[in-house]
Parts: sequence; structure tokens; C-alpha cells
Amino acid sequence: GQNIDQPTEMTATEGAIVQINCTYQTSGFNGLFWYQQHAGEAPTFLSYNVLDGLEEKGRFSSFLSRSKGYSYLLLKELQMKDSASYLCARRDDYKLSFGAGTTVTVRA
Amino acid sequence: DVKVTQSSRYLVKRTGEKVFLECVQDMDHENMFWYRQDPGLGLRLIYFSYDVKMKEKGDIPEGYSVSREKKERFSLILESASTNQTSMYLCASSFVGTGGENEQFFGPGTRLTVL
Repeated sequence: GQNIDQPTEMTATEGAIVQINCTYQTSGFNGLFWYQQHAGEAPTFLSYNVLDGLEEKGRFSSFLSRSKGYSYLLLKELQMKDSASYLCARRDDYKLSFGAGTTVTVRA
Repeated sequence: DVKVTQSSRYLVKRTGEKVFLECVQDMDHENMFWYRQDPGLGLRLIYFSYDVKMKEKGDIPEGYSVSREKKERFSLILESASTNQTSMYLCASSFVGTGGENEQFFGPGTRLTVL
């Protein structure tokens, strides 16, 4: 595999901020995806990073450091509907290698 | 909107049966993928196809085969189903664009149980 590591579970309060970290092997790296997957549903695309730095999309931001093999997904102003699994995926050409996913639980 | 459809949401088969999982996409994507998703293991790539009649093994191809006779359709075949193939199967497709983003669009999944 590609040794993609992310935490298994995180819990946060509604309105708070949560940061999900992802580390990966750097050799052959072509980009980093984040997907959201609600229970029983298909994964849906959240973000894609290929250059170093922070990409912001509304309440969600994603950061990449290519040299460190590190990315994070930042979820701000958490809402109950953000309770889901968040998948980090490393791109090699047109193939993706996924981490096991981080289950985020948002509590009132 | 891209639409990826899978032939069944739930399927129950017996050990030794031949199983066909069908996937169809309507956006003229070149690439199509089959994954299985198991708790604690995430999505693992079984096979992918980058063109009609072309296929490549992913990380866990053993016990599976695929068929891509038409661009929009990618089939996963379990020649002789076994209980360890009980899983959620997800199909995905992507476009090979000049931007290189290659976002994959996923189908709703087929939960296969092998008894």
C-alpha cells in the first residue's frame, strides 16, 4: 500500500473546528484528495491539493505539504450534518490510494 | 451532473456462485474503477480500466475479474464467490482532463453478502 495514515475517530461540538490529519509516502505523489462519506452513501469529492499551501472552500479548507508528506482537512463552524467519514486519498497517475477514513461525530 | 449507477444496492449469494456486479456511467469518462470497502481498511482498489477492453489489476485482484466491452459499462465478476468477499463494492469513474484533477465520481455501492 501507500501507507496513508489518518486518525480513526474524532469527536467535536457543534460550531467548533476540527482538523483531520493525513500522512502519506511522498514517492510518486501526484496530488491529494479529500472525500466525505455519510453512512451508507457513496463518497463525494471535497477537495484536491497538488501544490503546497491552503485551499479554502467555504467552511472546509485543505492544506498540503509535499515535502513532509502531510495534509489536513479543516472543518469550521461544525454542523450536525458534518458527521461523516472523511477519506484522504493519494493520487498516483489516475489511481487513488485511500486511507481507512476518519469518522467525525458532531455533538450538540 | 455525473451519474454512476450500480445494478443492485443489496445482493445475497451463496458460496461458489458466479456473481456479476454492473456499473454504468453517463459522462463519457475514460477511467472506471472497482473498489471494495471494509471497516477499518478503507477503500481498496480491485481493478481499473482506462479504456474499452483495457484493464489493470489494482491492489487486491485475487478472486475477481472485470469486463469493459463498452465505454460506459464496467463489470466486476466473482467467478466463485467466497464468504471473504462479503463487502461493500463501489464503482467509480473519472475523466482524464488537462487539469489532471481526475476527480473520481462514485456509485451508490452494492452491499454483497456471500453465505
